[in-house]
Parts: sequence; structure tokens; C-alpha cells
Amino acid sequence: DVKVTQSSRYLVKRTGEKVFLECVQDMDHENMFWYRQDPGLGLRLIYFSYDVKMKEKGDIPEGYSVSREKKERFSLILESASTNQTSMYLCASSPLTETGELFFGEGSRLTVL
Amino acid sequence: AQKITQTQPGMFVQEKEAVTLDCTYDTSDQSYGLFWYKQPSSGEMIFLIYQGSYDEQNATEGRYSLNFQKARKSANLVISASQLGDSAMYFCAMRGLLYNQGGKLIFGQGTELSVKP
Repeated sequence: DVKVTQSSRYLVKRTGEKVFLECVQDMDHENMFWYRQDPGLGLRLIYFSYDVKMKEKGDIPEGYSVSREKKERFSLILESASTNQTSMYLCASSPLTETGELFFGEGSRLTVL
Repeated sequence: AQKITQTQPGMFVQEKEAVTLDCTYDTSDQSYGLFWYKQPSSGEMIFLIYQGSYDEQNATEGRYSLNFQKARKSANLVISASQLGDSAMYFCAMRGLLYNQGGKLIFGQGTELSVKP
């Protein structure tokens, strides 16, 4: 069964802390994505990667960085967490096919106090 | 720039009836793909259906069909014979089909569907 695994379902951090969100996929997909989901705003793209060590900014990259050292792993980093980064974070991967639908992880709910 | 608009924040439907969830889009791309995802209260995102801009026929997957009207730039999801398990948040999304667009999807705001027994 294909799978995208996010390391933590729930995290509580303090303002100013560094936060790592890990995502691993076992489908050998080229593309990986990080979205955040907020009520009324849908899913907004933070960063995506179409190859190892390659990354592209999405619509809301400010305050975030990413790392893709291996094909199967895509990490989201909050260098200094702020309360407005309290959100649900969704990782996804997709193959290089015509449809290219995204396969999502279960999400990581981050609360920054 | 691409944009997806879902104007219905919430909808109710009676069990066994059909329901249409609206989605309009804006893009300057000639080739693009349109998607619908379902997100139950458990939080997982479930891919439902896909329509390519070049497809002349509307896509169907079981009880789901996509009413694609290219000139109106609309891609409405139709769910026939609603079931209680259809209660969820539904997201419309699109992406350009050029290789250098990286496969990223742009999502709408979502529509929360509640099915009444």
C-alpha cells in the first residue's frame, strides 16, 4: 500500500523554537510538497521539490525552509516558530504521470504558544 | 496565475439525493488538469476524480462525476445518491500540465458537505 508518512500528528511548540516536520514517501515519487491548511483558506502551497536537492517556493514560503537530501524524504523547517504558524501541515508526493495526482500524509497539527 | 474559487462554504443534502459542489477556475494555461479531493473528519485527503482540459467527455468515477464546462471555466463535482459517509470537506484543485510547473496543485477554499439521514 502506497504511503506518505509524517513524523508527528500533533506538536506543541513555543514561540521562537526551531521546528522540524519530517515527511517520507515510499512510492519513489519525484515530486514532493508541503501545504498548510487553515479554515476558510483551503490548502496553500509552502514549498515543493521536483528532485533531490531541488526546491521551489510556493505561495507562502515566508518563515519556512525545506530540505530534500534524499528522494524519499522532504523536511519542512520553521527556523523561529511564531503563533501565526499554528496550523495543519500536509505533506504530499506525486509521480511524473499525466494525471499526477497528489498522495497526502495524515497531516501534522502544529500549535505555537 | 492560477486561481480556484469554491463559493459554497457549507452545504446540506438529504441522504440518497444528488448534490452539486461548485468550482470555478482561472488560468492562462492551455493545458491543465482539474481535481477533486475529499477530506473526512479524520483529516486524510482522498483523491476522487480528475479531468484534463483536453478531455471532451466529463470524467466519472462511480457515484462521482465532474461537470466540466471549459468556456465557463467551471468544474463542478456531482455526487449521486448521497450517503452518510459522504459528509466531509471537498476541495477542488488544478495544475498546469507543463513539465516545468512541477506538478503543484492549487486548491480552492473547500466546501463542507453534510448529508442528512
